[in-house]
Amino acid sequence: EAQVTQNPRYLITVTGKKLTVTCSQNMNHEYMSWYRQDPGLGLRQIYYSMNVEVTDKGDVPEGYKVSRKEKRNFPLILESPSPNQTSLYFCASSPGRVSETQYFGPGTRLLVL
Amino acid sequence: KQEVTQIPAALSVPEGENLVLNCSFTDSAIYNLQWFRQDPGKGLTSLLLIQSSQREQTSGRLNASLDKSSGRSTLYIAASQPGDSATYLCAVTGYGNKLVFGAGTILRVKS
Repeated sequence: EAQVTQNPRYLITVTGKKLTVTCSQNMNHEYMSWYRQDPGLGLRQIYYSMNVEVTDKGDVPEGYKVSRKEKRNFPLILESPSPNQTSLYFCASSPGRVSETQYFGPGTRLLVL
Repeated sequence: KQEVTQIPAALSVPEGENLVLNCSFTDSAIYNLQWFRQDPGKGLTSLLLIQSSQREQTSGRLNASLDKSSGRSTLYIAASQPGDSATYLCAVTGYGNKLVFGAGTILRVKS
């Protein structure tokens, strides 16, 4: 089944403790991206990747890192999480440019205490 | 900076009614506009994608239109059903490969 998977789905952590949220797609898509969703603000793009080893900042990249060493994986890294990074995070992929239909993962709900 | 606005923020209608959701954007330099559906606790599902050169797209009971020059899009849902209850999001793709979302419209269809 074609899908985007994220792990973990739920995570509670404390301020400053490094964490990684994994994202994997099995559709051989070139484009992948990360979003955060907050009440009243909608979804905002954190980082995106056009292909392996090619990443760029979205609208809210501060406090986040990404890497794209393999085509199928695009992990989101929070080196030193803070409470304002408490949010619902989505990973998405599309076949080529972002101008094609995006496929979203199920989301990761993160709480930073 | 691109801004996307969706009106209304919430909508409650009886089953069977036709309805229209609105989306407006401030910068007409876009590649496309997409409408998504989000169910509680779930990810987003793409409903329709309209390229900037197109005026509308249809899928089943859904019809989306795009007027790029005025910065507006509408999602028309015919003969609404309780299963249509969800949050509907529109998003525009601008130059720089960035996707900008509206805050969404929460739709409730009452049986």
